[in-house]
Amino acid sequence: DAGVIQSPRHEVTEMGQEVTLRCKPISGHDYLFWYRQTMMRGLELLIYFNNNVPIDDSGMPEDRFSAKMPNASFSTLKIQPSEPRDSAVYFCASRQQGIYNSPLHFGNGTRLTVT
Amino acid sequence: ILNVEQSPQSLHVQEGDSTNFTCSFPSSNFYALHWYRWETAKSPEALFVMTLNGDEKKKGRISATLNTKEGYSYLYIKGSQPEDSATYLCAHGASYDKVIFGPGTSLSVIP
Repeated sequence: DAGVIQSPRHEVTEMGQEVTLRCKPISGHDYLFWYRQTMMRGLELLIYFNNNVPIDDSGMPEDRFSAKMPNASFSTLKIQPSEPRDSAVYFCASRQQGIYNSPLHFGNGTRLTVT
Repeated sequence: ILNVEQSPQSLHVQEGDSTNFTCSFPSSNFYALHWYRWETAKSPEALFVMTLNGDEKKKGRISATLNTKEGYSYLYIKGSQPEDSATYLCAHGASYDKVIFGPGTSLSVIP
């Protein structure tokens, strides 16, 4: 198994541009989580999905952020328009359904820099 | 406790020393407590997931305990080695599926 795959690894963009981060969860995992890591807030939960359905998006900071999961093997996190304060490392993680004591499996993260 | 808290924030120990960190979490609505190890430039990797009060888990020189009634977990590292240097995260499963992370404890082991 290739694990959770995120792309791109690094993204540098200018303020006001649209940014799309991508994630492919581990096959057979029914939960997908998006986290953001910053020095100030640590690893912050943005949104998570179960069976492609968003369950809790209360962590999404603003309407500029949106996430979708069109199928079991793909999710996107979009920021439009981007701002310098969005600069952070964004992690995607997946987990098996039905086992609340199963661990999260993380991707390698996308380091976003907005100038 | 309303959020997940970890202490200390950072720790520097000599090689061979044993050490421990604390994770505090809301004792209500408990489903699971996770520990992860996060090395620089890598992604977090799971160490343990515990669900029962009094649970103890061990993996090599690393072990963890859980007290769900009072809302804390300890992570112990016996005989620290330089390769143990990392950030150790705990995470609270406050519902069946939601996992909230603490700020982490950064461990540096000095050779």
